[in-house]
This record gives sequence, C-alpha cells and structure tokens, in this order.
Amino acid sequence: QVQLQESGPGLVKPSGTLSLTCAVSGGSISSSNWWSWVRQPPGKGLEWIGEIYHSGSTNYNPSLKSRVTISVDKSKNQFSLKLSSVTAADTAVYYCARVWMGPLHAFDIWGQGTMVTVSS
Amino acid sequence: QSALTQPASVSGSPGQSITISCTGTSSDVGGYNYVSWYQQHPGKAPKLMIYDVSNRPSGVSNRFSGSKSGNTASLTISGLQAEDEADYYCSSYTSSSTHWVFGGGTKLTVL
Repeated sequence: QVQLQESGPGLVKPSGTLSLTCAVSGGSISSSNWWSWVRQPPGKGLEWIGEIYHSGSTNYNPSLKSRVTISVDKSKNQFSLKLSSVTAADTAVYYCARVWMGPLHAFDIWGQGTMVTVSS
Repeated sequence: QSALTQPASVSGSPGQSITISCTGTSSDVGGYNYVSWYQQHPGKAPKLMIYDVSNRPSGVSNRFSGSKSGNTASLTISGLQAEDEADYYCSSYTSSSTHWVFGGGTKLTVL
C-alpha cells in the first residue's frame, strides 16, 4: 500500500522560498506514475501546482510556472516542491498526490497535507 | 475562479439521492473521459471516489456513480447517509498547458 507523507517548514516569510518534500513509502517512485503537488488555501478549493515523472519530466500550472520547481530524488524515493517569492496568497495546505495516466486517470493516493503559512 | 463549475452547495435527506454537476469545456470535460471526483471531509485529504467518468475504485460504495454528457459531468449519490456529508470536487485532464483542473467544490449537507 503506497503512502505519501509531506514534510517541511510550516511558516515561510514573505518573498522567501517555500520548500516541501513528499516521501513515498510502500512503493517505488520509479513506477509508471506521475507525482503531483496540489494546494488548498484556507476555506477554498483545490489548485493543481504541477507534476513530475521519475525521469525528471515536469508539467507546471502556467499561473505558477515562473515560481515553481518540482524535483525528484530516486535514491530517497521522494519528490520535492520549491515555490519562490511567496506572498500571503500562497498560504495553503499543500498536498502531494500520485497521478495515474493509464489505465486510470486520476489522483488516486494523497498525502495527509501540510499547512504552510506565509507571514513575517 | 475555478476552471470547472460546480454548485456551491447541495443538500438532501437520508435515503434520498442527490446529483452534483461539473461543467467545463470541450478542452477538458468534453474532450476526455478523464473526469474524477473526490470527497473531502473537514481537515482531511481528498479521497478518490470516481475516476474516468464512471469508475469506482475498490472499496468505494456503489451508492456513488458518475456520468458525463457533453461538457458536463455528474456525480450521483444514492441512499444518502450522514457520513456522506462532505465537500466534493471534480477534476479533469485538460488539453491546455494546465494539464489538470479542479472544480470549485460542492458542500453536501445531509439534512
């Protein structure tokens, strides 16, 4: 049973860089899946941030693309998110999720989420 | 503003059926059979309930069903139970550079 666990600082200063890691357990990050980050501002809906394949190929939400970097570390079976130049608008619960692109197409496994607050 | 449009709220009594709609465009909902639905209880992570328009993952009750017509997908919950009270989000793959889009979410209240 694959499980995902997010980790990282819960507080980031404005203009700083948000850095989170998602550890994959119970399975290999090199499986035929994409690995994604999704965020949810307090009281609001879900927003897709981007995704990565174990080869290093990435896709990003155009609205965040200039500030986002997603990377993978196969030796540690984890992937990471960096979001630069953060503002209060980036305050949210950040989820990592496994994405299938065949035989099914959905986010089938989610981490528990980690709250990140942008504040001085 | 979310890419996919859902009603903000729906309600129903125990035992009844409700349907939540999710409207997109021909670039997402209408163009691919890659619509999925997620249930989210307060303070919890989303849970996959329906994938590829109408398929249920193992372990999801058959009271949950999905369908699609044109650019609008729907989630139907039959035999409403108190535990179904939650937020529901639809999602679709999109041909735009965004790749994945979500609806704004629908709060289901079981009266």
